[in-house]
Amino acid sequence: QQPVQSPQAVILREGEDAVINCSSSKALYSVHWYRQKHGEAPVFLMILLKGGEQKGHEKISASFNEKKQQSSLYLTASQLSYSGTYFCGTEIAVNQAGTALIFGKGTTLSVSS
Amino acid sequence: DAGITQSPRHKVTETGTPVTLRCHQTENHRYMYWYRQDPGHGLRLIHYSYGVKDTDKGEVSDGYSVSRSKTEDFLLTLESATSSQTSVYFCAISEPPPGLAGISYEQYFGPGTRLTVT
Repeated sequence: QQPVQSPQAVILREGEDAVINCSSSKALYSVHWYRQKHGEAPVFLMILLKGGEQKGHEKISASFNEKKQQSSLYLTASQLSYSGTYFCGTEIAVNQAGTALIFGKGTTLSVSS
Repeated sequence: DAGITQSPRHKVTETGTPVTLRCHQTENHRYMYWYRQDPGHGLRLIHYSYGVKDTDKGEVSDGYSVSRSKTEDFLLTLESATSSQTSVYFCAISEPPPGLAGISYEQYFGPGTRLTVT
């Protein structure tokens, strides 16, 4: 039930754009996006909820197609600071008490000058 | 930054020994999680807690147990460590917004514990 991310790796020059995709075989309540820099903890970027509400980062956007159970993360005009590994997390019901996040394997983004 | 600490930050132990990792938070968040991170696998959920003494299994719970006797502490125990449990372990916390109980919200991660089992 782990979501599938694509591509596995992206290499960009500063100013270029990238799209990272995340798809799940399970019905989704929401999709979360996190970024992790080497040797650090993952950091929250964005959450997309059923119904279209979106919260998150000012320079990175995302979409959530509930019917297709897919989400895409759009990084435009990339900066060196965008480098890192991006994880999507799909929220699933685990019991009556609540939900949990199941993360994909990650997409490594490298931005060079 | 959310107040989450993990201890120890690094540990080397021998196969067959018990190991306990601690996650401590000062945010009074209800939900706490343990993940392990391995190359090629991303973050995998081991166990999680949705309140004091309320815990449940995640994707990769075999060989692990957890306890939560206080809101602020979530312990992960490897009852008999094996080399396959060599990994980086992350704790995370979250608090659903009012009126949305049961829906996880943004998670805040601790700094991680690097565990090596020899």
